[in-house]
Amino acid sequence: GENVEQHPSTLSVQEGDSAVIKCTYSDSASNYFPWYKQELGKGPQLIIDIRSNVGEKKDQRIAVTLNKTAKHFSLHITETQPEDSAVYFCASLSGSARQLTFGSGTQLTVLP
Amino acid sequence: AAGVIQSPRHLIKEKRETATLKCYPIPRHDTVYWYQQGPGQDPQFLISFYEKMQSDKGSIPDRFSAQQFSDYHSELNMSSLELGDSALYFCASSKRTKRGYEQYFGPGTRLTVT
Repeated sequence: GENVEQHPSTLSVQEGDSAVIKCTYSDSASNYFPWYKQELGKGPQLIIDIRSNVGEKKDQRIAVTLNKTAKHFSLHITETQPEDSAVYFCASLSGSARQLTFGSGTQLTVLP
Repeated sequence: AAGVIQSPRHLIKEKRETATLKCYPIPRHDTVYWYQQGPGQDPQFLISFYEKMQSDKGSIPDRFSAQQFSDYHSELNMSSLELGDSALYFCASSKRTKRGYEQYFGPGTRLTVT
């Protein structure tokens, strides 16, 4: 089955700096890669996603890049703000299956 | 915009009891997924339903069962509860189209087994 690895597990940045979280996946049939933000006691919130036919996607301060050859994708957050502090999960969706396989999560802390 | 609704939000049960979790998907979404998230862990896929039929099955214990009803809401039934079943249970929904993959999660049900 699919295996998704996520790094780093914790990340602290100063407000205004950029944050980068990286994930790798194992199944070459995976074709959809969402990123979720989860605040304490809440459900994961879809913040951005990318499909396998696209190399990069941007939405305001958030961007995701995908390298299909290397089987890795990354989340970039620019101009970080304290409200960006949360756990971020990457995930992949493989082939005809509709179940998401999640990475282990990154606790992002933005220091004011 | 309407979101996924889950009830109850919190549930406390004793070992060997049963529990039923409910999920109401976003209107016009036809697929429901159930995930289990242990403390400090990532969500683990349990089971999904598309148009009231079981679609995919993950690491769901035999003690658990689920179904999707005609109004698309879904229920997760958990029997013979064990201490290890204590976790957050999330429901997610999506609209199954050729290009639609987005899954939107509900707020979760926190199950505590004592």
